[in-house]
Amino acid sequence: ETGVTQSPTHLIKTRGQQVTLRCSSQSGHNTVSWYQQALGQGPQFIFQYYREEENGRGNFPPRFSGLQFPNYSSELNVNALELDDSALYLCASFDTGAGNSPLHFGNGTRLTVT
Amino acid sequence: AQTVTQSQPEMSVQEAETVTLSCTYDTSESDYYLFWYKQPPSRQMILVIRQEAYKQQNATENRFSVNFQKAAKSFSLKISDSQLGDAAMYFCAYQNTGNQFYFGTGTSLTVIP
Repeated sequence: ETGVTQSPTHLIKTRGQQVTLRCSSQSGHNTVSWYQQALGQGPQFIFQYYREEENGRGNFPPRFSGLQFPNYSSELNVNALELDDSALYLCASFDTGAGNSPLHFGNGTRLTVT
Repeated sequence: AQTVTQSQPEMSVQEAETVTLSCTYDTSESDYYLFWYKQPPSRQMILVIRQEAYKQQNATENRFSVNFQKAAKSFSLKISDSQLGDAAMYFCAYQNTGNQFYFGTGTSLTVIP
C-alpha cells in the first residue's frame, strides 16, 4: 500500500509569485484534503476534493485553488503569494466509502515566502 | 462552525509515568468522530486513536486511551507508561458529517528520562 506523497519537500518563493504543490493520495482513497499549518499552530482546513470536485472549503481566499485528477492525485495552487502564506502545507487522503476513515497524511511541503 | 480547543500548549511527563492531554470542542452535531494525532519533528501526522461519538465506550489502543465526555464535549488523551518516543506535538481533531476535519492548536509533550 502506497502512502500519501507530497512534492516538493521544500520551496522558496517571492511575494507575488504563484506556486503549485502536488499530492498523490494513498491507494484506494478517493478524497483529498489540504491543510495549512503555520509555525506553532494546528493544521487549518483549506479545502477538500472528492471525485474531482471541491466538496468543502475553509476560510481561505480564492487565490487558494485546487484540482483533483481522475487518479485521485491533487494540486494546491496559490496565486499572488503573501508573506503570511509561509507555512507547512499538508495533504491528507481518506476513503469516504469506508465509514469512519481517518486522515492519512503526507510529510508536507514547507513553503517559505520572502 | 466546529472549534477544537487544546488549553495546554506544553506538557511534560517522567518516563514510565502517565500523562493526560486535554481537548474540548464545540459542535451542534450529534454524530461525529474525534481523533488524536501525533506529529513528531519529522512532521508527519500519525493517527494515535479515534472515537465515534455514538459509542459510549472509551477507545483504547495499547498505552493510549481516551476519556470521552459527550455532554461536556470533552475528549482527553491518556498516555500510560510514557516512553521517550512519545515526545511530539499532539493534536486533537474533530471530523464532521461532511468529512471535514478541524484541529486544535496542539500540545507539545516532553518525556523526561
